[in-house]
Amino acid sequence: RKEVEQDPGPFNVPEGATVAFNCTYSNSASQSFFWYRQDCRKEPKLLMSVYSSGNEDGRFTAQLNRASQYISLLIRDSKLSDSATYLCVVPGGSNYKLTFGKGTLLTVNP
Amino acid sequence: GAVVSQHPSWVICKSGTSVKIECRSLDFQATTMFWYRQFPKQSLMLMATSNEGSKATYEQGVEKDKFLINHASLTLSTLTVTSAHPEDSSFYICSARGSSYNSPLHFGNGTRLTVT
Repeated sequence: RKEVEQDPGPFNVPEGATVAFNCTYSNSASQSFFWYRQDCRKEPKLLMSVYSSGNEDGRFTAQLNRASQYISLLIRDSKLSDSATYLCVVPGGSNYKLTFGKGTLLTVNP
Repeated sequence: GAVVSQHPSWVICKSGTSVKIECRSLDFQATTMFWYRQFPKQSLMLMATSNEGSKATYEQGVEKDKFLINHASLTLSTLTVTSAHPEDSSFYICSARGSSYNSPLHFGNGTRLTVT
């Protein structure tokens, strides 16, 4: 299994749709996980941190399944502004290095 | 507000010149900073881990003499692209984490380098 692997995408959904992304990881010792979003030609910005089984922030829900070693991101009531690349990030290795997934491109259409 | 400041945001330089990019942590001390490079439509690629007071750790395939990293203080890391060539044109992004293992990465706003 790769260190971090994400749904390849791209995802094209209509406004108002619910969409979910999955991400699997190989380091079973990882404790904290992150979802970032990256807009075109911009730096990644932290969307959510996931420490326990999951957490919710408005329309966004992140879930963690340690047994199966995956995390998911659910976006409800998609907005046009949700269009971006979503990056799954998992800690691993020394120096607190974080490993990024390749990202999943989401396009929300009117 | 931004917790990591990166400068410059964009730079155009001639082939053969060197370019220095600065990365500062604004609200916290960062013993470790990370430098990434991203080509269009590709994922972030970790280039090196910058360690305050010691040598940087470079990822496989990244030339340490080409990409000089200096982390002289707990709030500043610099990346110098030496003798830049057109193939070095890319989006360079720095990031830093707080001291807790659970701390997320905070990114600078990136530097778009174009070498002509």
